[in-house]
Amino acid sequence: DAGVIQSPRHEVTEMGQEVTLRCKPISGHNSLFWYRQTMMRGLELLIYFNNNVPIDDSGMPEDRFSAKMPNASFSTLKIQPSEPRDSAVYFCASSVQSGEGNEQFFGPGTRLTVL
Amino acid sequence: DQQVKQNSPSLSVQEGRISILNCDYTNSMFDYFLWYKKYPAEGPTFLISISSIKDKNEDGRFTVFLNKSAKHLSLHIVPSQPGDSAVYFCAAISNTGKLIFGQGTTLQVKP
Repeated sequence: DAGVIQSPRHEVTEMGQEVTLRCKPISGHNSLFWYRQTMMRGLELLIYFNNNVPIDDSGMPEDRFSAKMPNASFSTLKIQPSEPRDSAVYFCASSVQSGEGNEQFFGPGTRLTVL
Repeated sequence: DQQVKQNSPSLSVQEGRISILNCDYTNSMFDYFLWYKKYPAEGPTFLISISSIKDKNEDGRFTVFLNKSAKHLSLHIVPSQPGDSAVYFCAAISNTGKLIFGQGTTLQVKP
């Protein structure tokens, strides 16, 4: 099992550019989560999907952020336009189902730097 | 509004001694808690969890204690090993199934 796969691992871009982060969850998992890690706020949940359907996007900071899950094996998080304050590590995680006691498995993260 | 708080950003202990990492929460509706461990350049990995019906859960060198009246939980690692050096995140599961994380505590275990 390859675990949760994220790409790219590192992204450096200039302010105003569009950024797309990609995630492949563990096969058979039906919940997918996008998190952002910063020094100030730790790990924050941005959005999560159950069976490819967005359930809670209340953590998405602004309209510049959008996420899609076109199928069970792929999700994207897009930032357009990007700003320096978006610089952070973005993690994708998946689990068998959302709810009590269901362990989430995290990918290695994408370190985003917006200049 | 931080519902899960880890007030100590860092902790340093000697190898072989006990490490105690603390976590406080504000929402009394939380009923399941987890600890995750994170090494540099890797994603967090699940370590241990506890349900609110228990006050203690043990797994090898790791024990989590829950004090519901104080809305406090702690992770004990004994004996601590240099390989335990990592960032530890406390998390609670909300009634909507979301994981709410604390800011993390960086543990350094000195040989």
